[in-house]
Amino acid sequence: DGGITQSPKYLFRKEGQNVTLSCEQNLNHDAMYWYRQDPGQGLRLIYYSQIVNDFQKGDIAEGYSVSREKKESFPLTVTSAQKNPTAFYLCASSFKRTGETQYFGPGTRLLVL
Amino acid sequence: EDQVTQSPEALRLQEGESSSLNCSYTVSGLRGLFWYRQDPGKGPEFLFTLYSAGEEKEKERLKATLTKKESFLHITAPKPEDSATYLCAVGGSQGNLIFGKGTKLSVKP
Repeated sequence: DGGITQSPKYLFRKEGQNVTLSCEQNLNHDAMYWYRQDPGQGLRLIYYSQIVNDFQKGDIAEGYSVSREKKESFPLTVTSAQKNPTAFYLCASSFKRTGETQYFGPGTRLLVL
Repeated sequence: EDQVTQSPEALRLQEGESSSLNCSYTVSGLRGLFWYRQDPGKGPEFLFTLYSAGEEKEKERLKATLTKKESFLHITAPKPEDSATYLCAVGGSQGNLIFGKGTKLSVKP
């Protein structure tokens, strides 16, 4: 079955620690995205990538980093510089053309110890 | 600035009681309006994409409509399994989606 997978489902971060969230898709989509969801707020864009080896900052990129070495994979690292990392993180993918539907993974919930 | 506003924030219905959710938007050139359903602790599930005013799409008890300023998600004779948060988004100039805060729908038997 084609789809988007995210792992882990839950992730715990200690203060000062960097953690990496995994996102993989087998939909042959060119574009991939990371969103953050907080209670009572809409999804906010962290980073996006429209092609391998290229990515752009979204609205709330500070404290996060990404890489796009393969078309299928777009991992997100939450660095120690992100002071309020507790949130639900969602990965999405789409074909590259503007206005294309984005399909979402199941999400990773990050909690701070 | 592109913006999406959804109303109401929460809606409680009795089973079979039809209603509508509203999504109003301001955007410099609409690049698609998207409806998603999200269950607690899960990722959004795609429902509909609308591209031009007057367009309508249906799926089971749901029907989405679009005007130049807003979209409606009509729910006909809802069932308890329709309970979820419904998210509306518009396509942004960067290829991303700009989301509203959602409407939490509860359908009681």
